[in-house]
Amino acid sequence: QSVLTQPPSVSGAPGQRVTISCTGTSSNIGADFDVHWYQHLPGTAPQLLIYGNTNRPTGVPERFSGSKSGTSASLAITGLQAEDEADYYCQSYDSGLSGVLFGGGTKLTVL
Amino acid sequence: QLHLQESGPGLVKPSETLSLSCKVSGGSISSSYYYWGWIRQPPGKGLEWMGGIDYTGRTYDNPSLKSRLTISVDTSKSQFSLNLKSVSAADTSVYFCARISTWNYVQYWGQGILVAVSS
Repeated sequence: QSVLTQPPSVSGAPGQRVTISCTGTSSNIGADFDVHWYQHLPGTAPQLLIYGNTNRPTGVPERFSGSKSGTSASLAITGLQAEDEADYYCQSYDSGLSGVLFGGGTKLTVL
Repeated sequence: QLHLQESGPGLVKPSETLSLSCKVSGGSISSSYYYWGWIRQPPGKGLEWMGGIDYTGRTYDNPSLKSRLTISVDTSKSQFSLNLKSVSAADTSVYFCARISTWNYVQYWGQGILVAVSS
């Protein structure tokens, strides 16, 4: 069981806004370690969506945004598109593990 | 553009050692601005951080795998490797090699390699 907790699934209609939460503890997100987000399509390598809590790599649409507060973080996707249907993972660093930590992943379904 | 390519057997027998390599091209393996790691995904499950190494050989271990896992780097060949001993069916996964920034996020991923553990 991952120490970073994500909802197993979320869904939304095209054009809508969805959010994916990532809840951690005082040894990772709450310890002020950054949160990063990846989009993963089956059969491909995950792609970095958000790094350093709120930053988008070049080429990632502005529809994707990240936020962090306390021991939690969120990924928001606005103007939902069919191509956004994928698995999304949050990731941080854990001082207790002294290493990288992934959330359990959230499957986004575009209705 | 940096390219990472995993290589190794697609099938390993239970109790044996799983060995994979990751060739780095299009960039230097030797930098203090990033390190290298292995991440796996069992079928139908999420991503799991296995461990990492920098170009000096300093390792970043996952305590849950530390007793079975060895990661090494060969800067002359621009590659790093994974050895996971005493494997079982639970180690069946897609294995990704990756470059991780000093901010601890994955900047580049390999395409992944499926390794099945079966007799």
